[in-house]
Amino acid sequence: QVQLQQSGPGLAKPSQTLSLTCAISGDSVSSNSAAWNWIRQSPSRGLEWLGRTYYRSKWYNEYVVSVKSRITINPDTSKNQFSLQLKFVTPEDTAVYYCARTHSGRVDIWGQGTLVTVSS
Amino acid sequence: QSVLTQPPSASGTPGQRVTISCSGSSSNIGRDIVSWYQQFPGTAPKLLIDSNNQRPSGVPDRFSGSKSGMSASLAISGLQSEDEADYYCASWDGSLNGWLFGGGTKLTVL
Repeated sequence: QVQLQQSGPGLAKPSQTLSLTCAISGDSVSSNSAAWNWIRQSPSRGLEWLGRTYYRSKWYNEYVVSVKSRITINPDTSKNQFSLQLKFVTPEDTAVYYCARTHSGRVDIWGQGTLVTVSS
Repeated sequence: QSVLTQPPSASGTPGQRVTISCSGSSSNIGRDIVSWYQQFPGTAPKLLIDSNNQRPSGVPDRFSGSKSGMSASLAISGLQSEDEADYYCASWDGSLNGWLFGGGTKLTVL
């Protein structure tokens, strides 16, 4: 049974970096058939896919255009987890952040979600 | 603003059949599969329908999905009070090279 466990602070200051981690159990971050995603949800934006990392003989990263200049998603094979860093945050980045697995064309496993508030 | 368009709300009485639509374009629903998610307040979305019309293990057969052209639908038959939740559609977009979600439909069981 695949599970994703998120960790990280629930508060970030404007202009600073939001950092979250997602630990994987029951699968591998290096899987050749899965991708590892970050998705956020807010009342104003709804569900918004931010990006993903995946391994297909080498590592790939893909990001949504709206945050591409500020986001990094990194796999950590030694700990079987992946992380999100979002730089220069503003109050508009306040949202519930989810890590999620995509497999066979659908988002099938979600983390528990982390409410991140951007406020001074 | 979501590129996949859903009605913001839907409602029905217990036992009724309710459908929720999801409209997209040729770069997403028109060329790729659609999945549906159910979300209760304070919890993560849960996969309800994948590959347009497949129910994952444990999902009651009261839930069904369909797709035609650039639109998809979720149908819930024999509506129950515990079906009151938010429902989202999703599809990969080949032009944006990313996942798209619908704006969500809040289902109320009257």
